[in-house]
Amino acid sequence: RKEVEQDPGPFNVPEGATVAFNCTYSNSASQSFFWYRQDCRKEPKLLMSVYSSGNEDGRFTAQLNRASQYISLLIRDSKLSDSATYLCVVNDKAGNMLTFGGGTRLMVKP
Amino acid sequence: EPEVTQTPSHQVTQMGQEVILRCVPISNHLYFYWYRQILGQKVEFLVSFYNNEISEKSEIFDDQFSVERPDGSNFTLKIRSTKLEDSAMYFCAEVWMANTEAFFGQGTRLTVV
Repeated sequence: RKEVEQDPGPFNVPEGATVAFNCTYSNSASQSFFWYRQDCRKEPKLLMSVYSSGNEDGRFTAQLNRASQYISLLIRDSKLSDSATYLCVVNDKAGNMLTFGGGTRLMVKP
Repeated sequence: EPEVTQTPSHQVTQMGQEVILRCVPISNHLYFYWYRQILGQKVEFLVSFYNNEISEKSEIFDDQFSVERPDGSNFTLKIRSTKLEDSAMYFCAEVWMANTEAFFGQGTRLTVV
């Protein structure tokens, strides 16, 4: 059974803090990796794709370690609006199935 | 940015009734998915659909469920005889090509009473 595991949190951090989320996946043949953000009772929205070389988008940095089957997301200078659930998503087969982690809940406090 | 549109946004149905959830896809997308999320739980894969046929389905997607593109445009999920445990958010998602990101509709909240 293919699994994607995340620490459910919640992570309670003050504004301006740096916070890191981790994710592990069990299928070594997984081909693509994403971080999605989900607000309460809303649909998941793509935050960023995760590339083998690591990638950055503003305050967000994603890393992939294929050898350890591990994905991370770093958020710098947290904003109140970053409060949400962050979903680690892995594509197990070419275009055929996205597997979601359970999500990590982030709460940024003033 | 084009959106994936789902209807209805909320449906309440009696146990044993049939429901049809609809998704209007973005043109040029090739892969279509249905996911569900029971309140407070993770997003679960139901089925993927490519080239007008099912390509993958999960153990959740039993004989009560079916998918189709009746007019080559809208993408539907039918639940033949709803059960209380079918109450969840149902999300339609699309991918324009393999290994790219998925775009999700706003979801249909199904409540079975």
